[in-house]
Amino acid sequence: DTAVSQTPKYLVTQMGNDKSIKCEQNLGHDTMYWYKQDSKKFLKIMFSYNNKELIINETVPNRFSPKSPDKAHLNLHINSLELGDSAVYFCASSLDRGRYEQYFGPGTRLTVT
Amino acid sequence: GNSVTQMEGPVTLSEEAFLTINCTYTATGYPSLFWYVQYPGEGLQLLLKATKADDKGSNKGFEATYRKETTSFHLEKGSVQVSDSAVYFCALSEGGSEKLVFGKGTKLTVNP
Repeated sequence: DTAVSQTPKYLVTQMGNDKSIKCEQNLGHDTMYWYKQDSKKFLKIMFSYNNKELIINETVPNRFSPKSPDKAHLNLHINSLELGDSAVYFCASSLDRGRYEQYFGPGTRLTVT
Repeated sequence: GNSVTQMEGPVTLSEEAFLTINCTYTATGYPSLFWYVQYPGEGLQLLLKATKADDKGSNKGFEATYRKETTSFHLEKGSVQVSDSAVYFCALSEGGSEKLVFGKGTKLTVNP
């Protein structure tokens, strides 16, 4: 009964491919997030959705497209993968917008070769 | 813009040593401050937080005090254990925003 789950845990793919990472939370939260952690452990927010509505969209290449089919799911689709996309991607959720604690998933390690 | 600066790691300590990880921030308003911990192979977990000046957050023996005059939120623990080995992230959110700005993380290794 993992609170925030992501699939897959590991993803190895070649440059130019399109891939998706899925995230689900069973906490009943309204807000979900995608973060990218680079090889130096630096963590940066990419997107956030509240009740299926996009509320944060950082300066991320438009090859990255989040999709929230419902409040409990936030998927990340990446087109035309590049070497620099290699990173660990974390999904997170919080009860609502604002200064609520964010609960993180275990991460998806993406390696682009 | 808002930013968080943490002391460079890695930090290596012996069990029962005293820990300090420095964190300073830059923000235009009155941010909330957080420490998150990432154990090997896992996602981040909230360790402690403080929402206004002079607040002290504490959890699992860790403490941090929100110091507005020095714009700092240093993490301390009096006696570390091997199980505290992890990467520690200082973070802020401003103005009621859900957007977290993280520092670069400090890797702590505690040896028996």
